Amino acid sequence: DAKTTQPPSMDCAEGRAANLPCNHSTISGNEYVYWYRQIHSQGPQYIIHGLKNNETNEMASLIITEDRKSSTLILPHATLRDTAVYYCIVRLGVHDMRFGAGTRLTVKP
Amino acid sequence: DAGVIQSPRHEVTEMGQEVTLRCKPISGHNSLFWYRQTMMRGLELLIYFNNNVPIDDSGMPEDRFSAKMPNASFSTLKIQPSEPRDSAVYFCASSLEGGRGDTQYFGPGTRLTVL
Repeated sequence: DAKTTQPPSMDCAEGRAANLPCNHSTISGNEYVYWYRQIHSQGPQYIIHGLKNNETNEMASLIITEDRKSSTLILPHATLRDTAVYYCIVRLGVHDMRFGAGTRLTVKP
Repeated sequence: DAGVIQSPRHEVTEMGQEVTLRCKPISGHNSLFWYRQTMMRGLELLIYFNNNVPIDDSGMPEDRFSAKMPNASFSTLKIQPSEPRDSAVYFCASSLEGGRGDTQYFGPGTRLTVL
């Protein structure tokens, strides 16, 4: 039970923004939303995380709805190297990250 | 900065043999995690250490699996005896645990094949 729902796959044109949605309707008030990605045959790579406010770093932006029941990861200018499986995770505890099936993002030329 | 280091990167062994996977966490991190990834089950947490002490091993599949962390810079995951169904990619991750926002950083993984 990963507590999150993501579309299984998405396509994006190179250079365009990739918007990856995630539903987490049962999230509790003190649980963080984390995003990781996994490029083929590599270890999961941390992207960004947030609690209530929107967050931005050098890789991506995270938009969390006011009711916190959903979020969107935005890759502003997708490149072919962004092709990966993207995982949205709600932290159940300090150490307990449940990885679901994620969204397979394919960036196309 | 060096990230999490795992060795070996690939391991092929025969059923019944002992397998030892190794992990060096990021320097200064106080928590270490072992995960297993398969096509069928995805990414699963096996065991979690904090300050070298095993805190939660409920994900360890059976007694054939054991993990140790003798010091802050080294951990092992041992499978004895190994079975074909243990074939998977094993990841080690580490974090600096100090609040609910701490982040886990993953190593490159060890791809284990048991024949």
